Amino acid sequence: EAQVTQNPRYLITVTGKKLTVTCSQNMNHEYMSWYRQDPGLGLRQIYYSMNVEVTDKGDVPEGYKVSRKEKRNFPLILESPSPNQTSLYFCASSFATGGLYGYTFGSGTRLTVV
Amino acid sequence: DAKTTQPTSMDCAEGRAANLPCNHSTISGNEYVYWYRQIHSQGPQYIIHGLKNNETNEMASLIITEDRKSSTLILPHATLRDTAVYYCIVRVPYNNNDMRFGAGTRLTVKP
Repeated sequence: EAQVTQNPRYLITVTGKKLTVTCSQNMNHEYMSWYRQDPGLGLRQIYYSMNVEVTDKGDVPEGYKVSRKEKRNFPLILESPSPNQTSLYFCASSFATGGLYGYTFGSGTRLTVV
Repeated sequence: DAKTTQPTSMDCAEGRAANLPCNHSTISGNEYVYWYRQIHSQGPQYIIHGLKNNETNEMASLIITEDRKSSTLILPHATLRDTAVYYCIVRVPYNNNDMRFGAGTRLTVKP
């Protein structure tokens, strides 16, 4: 089944403790992206990647890192999480930049930083 | 990317057609109209897209006005499972700028 898989689905962590949220897709998509969703603010893009070793900042990149060493994986790294990074996170992928095929989203990771 | 305007919320009776409008008066000639939906904190789901012709797939129909300044997503026989937030997005495919999700329309399908 074609899908984007995020792990973990839920995570509670403490301020300052480094964490990684994984994202993997099995559709051979070039493009991958991370979003966060907060009440009243909608979906906001954090980082995106056009292809392996090509990443760029989205609208809200502060406090996050990403890497794209393989086509299928696009982990989101929080080096020193803070409470304002408590949010619902989504990974998405597509051929090219959405192109004519739309994006496929993962099921989400609900992160709580205390 | 052109901005879109959608109603904040709408209700629809189960089994009836749900018609969700979207205004995009500043759309440019090479921008497509995309529709996504998000069911209760799940990942957004692609529904349909179009440039200027009306489009239909197994999920919905997309009607774009001749001047392309507005469109309507039609769910022909809404079910309770169609209760979701629906996002209308206009953008140029293959653009390095990513899709921008607005507030969308919260559709509630009632029994």
